[in-house]
Formats: sequence, C-alpha cells, structure tokens
Amino acid sequence: GDSVTQMEGPVTLSEEAFLTINCTYTATGYPSLFWYVQYPGEGLQLLLKATKADDKGSNKGFEATYRKETTSFHLEKGSVQVSDSAVYFCALRAKGNTGFQKLVFGTGTRLLVSP
Amino acid sequence: EAQVTQNPRYLITVTGKKLTVTCSQNMNHEYMSWYRQDPGLGLRQIYYSMNVEVTDKGDVPEGYKVSRKEKRNFPLILESPSPNQTSLYFCASRPTGLSNQPQHFGDGTRLSIL
Repeated sequence: GDSVTQMEGPVTLSEEAFLTINCTYTATGYPSLFWYVQYPGEGLQLLLKATKADDKGSNKGFEATYRKETTSFHLEKGSVQVSDSAVYFCALRAKGNTGFQKLVFGTGTRLLVSP
Repeated sequence: EAQVTQNPRYLITVTGKKLTVTCSQNMNHEYMSWYRQDPGLGLRQIYYSMNVEVTDKGDVPEGYKVSRKEKRNFPLILESPSPNQTSLYFCASRPTGLSNQPQHFGDGTRLSIL
C-alpha cells in the first residue's frame, strides 16, 4: 500500500544551520505531496505542498521538490531559527480503496533548534 | 476565523466509561476526518466522512464510532474506552471539490484512559 518514510528524529541544530529532513514515499499513480508542521500543543498546519513531478513547494524559507525518479520530497531550509522547533510530517494524498483520496502520513521528525 | 474546534482538549477517564470528543468546523467543508497520533506511528486515520450521513472506516476504526448528522459537526465516540486508546486525537476538514486542497486540523484532544 501507499506509505511515507521519514528520517527519525530528533534533529538537533544550532540557529542558522542548514536543515534537511528526508522523506521518501511509495504510491501508485501520481500522489500529491505535503509537509505539515506541528508546533507544541497545537494541531498540524500545512507548510508546503507539491502536486506533480519537479514541482517545488516553498513557504517561510522552507523548500521541498517533488522528485519522481527518486520518490522523494526532502524538506530543506537554509538557516533555521529557534522558532522552527517543531515536529514535521511528510504526507501524501493518494487514492484509497474506495477511490477516495486519503492522506497518508510519515511518523514525524522532531526538530530542535538551539540559540 | 476559519477553524476546526475540538473539545475537550484534555481528558483523563477510566476504562469502560463512554466518552465523546466533539469536532466542529466553520468552513462549510464536506470532508471531515479523525486521526490518532502515537509516538513512532505518526497519524493514523480512524474514520472519515465525505458529507452528511456518509461515513467510512479509516485504517484503525476498532473501538470507535462516529456520526455526521450535520455538515459542521463530526463527533468521535468511544463506547467503552480501553487503555490502548490513550492517545492524541485530531479532527480535520477540507473541501472535496478540489482534490489538492489541504486539510485544516484542530488543536488536538489528549485522552488518557486509566
């Protein structure tokens, strides 16, 4: 079935460091890909998305490119801030058994940024 | 303000005592869904609803019930809670007309079943 694999955390960085969180997926067809962010005590918020191969999603300095050849959607940011500390979820939207499109999440990666 | 509202935010209860977690959205979304979040497992879908009176099982529906009598509300019911249902629960909604629209999530409900 469809699945998403993320690197395990926590990822611990100093402020202004470069961030990469790896995400790979398995899906039939052409899924849409998403990154969600969960700040402490809050629900998930959409960070960015990409709907087709070679699309680049970007928001708040974060970027991810939909790579069909490597089935990947890695999240990157050039210079992280303490306020970026959160849990990041990679997700795909694919067709379920009933034909309806459902979200499939990775296990989440916690990012800790220290001053 | 567009939002998904869950209540309660926190609940500690005992095995077997029926409970309901409410979810309400003010965006007129057709699609609503419940997830549970557990360490190392990410978010797993419990139930979803495509529209009023249309509900279906997600990946982990055992021990849960839902209803969708009105478009804005999608309560999650635990008829006889057990300790393995201790988890963080999220309700989400989105429109169904545009397939790439993101889901809007509530702030979560942390349930502890003793």
